[in-house]
Amino acid sequence: IQMTQSPSTLSASVGDRVTITCRASQSISEWLAWYQQKPGKAPNLLIYKASSLESGVPSRFSGSGSGTEFTLTISSLQPDDFATYYCQQFNSYPVSFGPGTKVDLK
Amino acid sequence: EVQLLESGGGLVQPGGSLRLSCAASGFTFSSHAMTWVRQAPGKGLEWVSSISGSGGNTYYADSVKGRFTISRDNSKNTLYLQMNSLRAEDTAVYSCAKAWVESGGYFDNWGQGTLVTVSS
Repeated sequence: IQMTQSPSTLSASVGDRVTITCRASQSISEWLAWYQQKPGKAPNLLIYKASSLESGVPSRFSGSGSGTEFTLTISSLQPDDFATYYCQQFNSYPVSFGPGTKVDLK
Repeated sequence: EVQLLESGGGLVQPGGSLRLSCAASGFTFSSHAMTWVRQAPGKGLEWVSSISGSGGNTYYADSVKGRFTISRDNSKNTLYLQMNSLRAEDTAVYSCAKAWVESGGYFDNWGQGTLVTVSS
């Protein structure tokens, strides 16, 4: 299953509402996760099963979608949110990640 | 607290071998599938291999199938990745990750990774 993300880079300001889209090449139901990664650090799970917020993750992060189209939304971008975001399907093996979306400062 | 600590990375010549280890603690190791994910310098995340909690099921990316072998020792809470016939394109930081359930799923805890460099 091929995963795509758009945009590849997103320039935004603190306080902006940010939306990242992830698409699967075939239906994966709700079997999608979102991760945040900062340079030199391990990825951090944000959202699982498309819309479930991982414990400890701020509520400004939310996920939606099912089937082949999914979105990650940050309701009000904070300084700590500048990072790269990856989607991942776990509907079936081989597991696959999207190519990533880098969120940087406008 | 879940902890995952990788070791075994280093510099190896093309065609060589390396064995990575991931020591796990803070959870019931045998109840969770485990995974290796790699990230080449400046690139995105690439899933490499997964193994079920019992060790009975293993899965590989096409790019490593036939060259890499994943295994686990549940008595030692340790995950392994045996890498043979290494190529320059295998150069990456290799991280282990704990999966949601015994059979797989999303990855809720990650190690910091160990760097593998394949170069002559």
